[in-house]
Formats: sequence, structure tokens, C-alpha cells
Amino acid sequence: GAGVSQTPSNKVTEKGKYVELRCDPISGHTALYWYRQSLGQGPEFLIYFQGTGAADDSGLPNDRFFAVRPEGSVSTLKIQRTERGDSAVYLCASSLLGLAGDTDTQYFGPGTRLTVL
Amino acid sequence: KQEVTQIPAALSVPEGENLVLNCSFTDSAIYNLQWFRQDPGKGLTSLLLIQSSQREQTSGRLNASLDKSSGRSTLYIAASQPGDSATYLCAVMNLKTSYDKVIFGPGTSLSVIP
Repeated sequence: GAGVSQTPSNKVTEKGKYVELRCDPISGHTALYWYRQSLGQGPEFLIYFQGTGAADDSGLPNDRFFAVRPEGSVSTLKIQRTERGDSAVYLCASSLLGLAGDTDTQYFGPGTRLTVL
Repeated sequence: KQEVTQIPAALSVPEGENLVLNCSFTDSAIYNLQWFRQDPGKGLTSLLLIQSSQREQTSGRLNASLDKSSGRSTLYIAASQPGDSATYLCAVMNLKTSYDKVIFGPGTSLSVIP
């Protein structure tokens, strides 16, 4: 079946604007993760959903960042009043069980490259 | 707070050589540890997942070990090939709910020279 998909693949915006990044997980996966990756670094955890609820949002850097997963499938990461420091690749991953299973493998999407001018 | 480091940051080897990549973590209360591969401009591909109760996992030419007590994992790649060139990242999933759920290391950039 299809893997994790993310749209758009690239997003260029101006400082202060609002952006939405979309993630379509693998069908049937209950867990969904958002990460942010800056050049030369490993991905940085942002938020983790188990079903429709945000089980852990401790990685969100501030209140300009918000994510939803209203029907337990597609998720949207929302960034308000974007800043140049928000420029990064935003990665989404999904897994079948999340922390309910310690054999759970995360499957990653190709990412959205966000550039804030 | 959990910290994950990887040594070396970059590695260049001739084709056919066996090699070892290292991953260290500071908090042994982990759920599992995964090794990923990332090709330039692409997302991550999971290579191996080791549960906290396991010592190692093998897949083809790859073998990953886990020593939780010392906070270390190694990824062994046998008979390296140019197609193995990529960045290799390790990630730990933490048990403690007050921490970030998944912490990645910065990666090791591997180049296999034909």
C-alpha cells in the first residue's frame, strides 16, 4: 500500500504568515509523529498523536505551533506568525500501535521543506 | 533529559570494508532503539529496531547491538557497498512521559568509495 505522504513538498512563505503542513499516514496506523529537522541535525520531536488525541506535545517549541488529527488519520501542523528560525524540513511518521507496542516501527514521509523569508 | 550522540560524524571507507557506527544515550530507561537511513533530500527509512529487552537485531548485512546499561548501540555493516552511502541515525524512544517521546542522534554521514 501507499506510504506516508506529505504536502506540500516545498513551502516558501514570508515572515509573519500562517502555514499549514499536511500529513497522510499509512492507513490503519494509530500513531502519528511530527518532527522538525534542521540542516546537519537529526530530527527533533515535536508532537505525537495516539488516535485523535495529542498524547505528547512536549516538543512543540512555543504556542505558535499547533497540530490536529481530528479523525485519527490525516494530521495538519499549523504554524502561526512564522519566523525565519522556523525554516526547516518538517517530517511526519506513522506507526501501527505507537507506545502500545515496543516493536513498533516508524515509517517516515518525505518531508515538507519550509522556507521563511 | 535524554541526549543521544553518534560517533563518528562522518566516515569514508573503500567498498568491501566492514564498518561500525556508534550511538550513545544518557538515560537507559528506553522503550526501544531504532536505526534509520536517510538519503539526501529524502525521508528516513527504518533499518532495525531493538526492543529494550533485546541485545541485537540482524537484517542482511546489518547487525545492530544494544547495551542498555552502558547506554550504547552499534550498527555493524558488513561488506560495504557504494549504495550504502547515506546518513545513518539512531533514535531512542523514551519510557518517561515527561520527556520528549523520541530523541534522535545527529547522524553519521557514510560515504563508501567504489
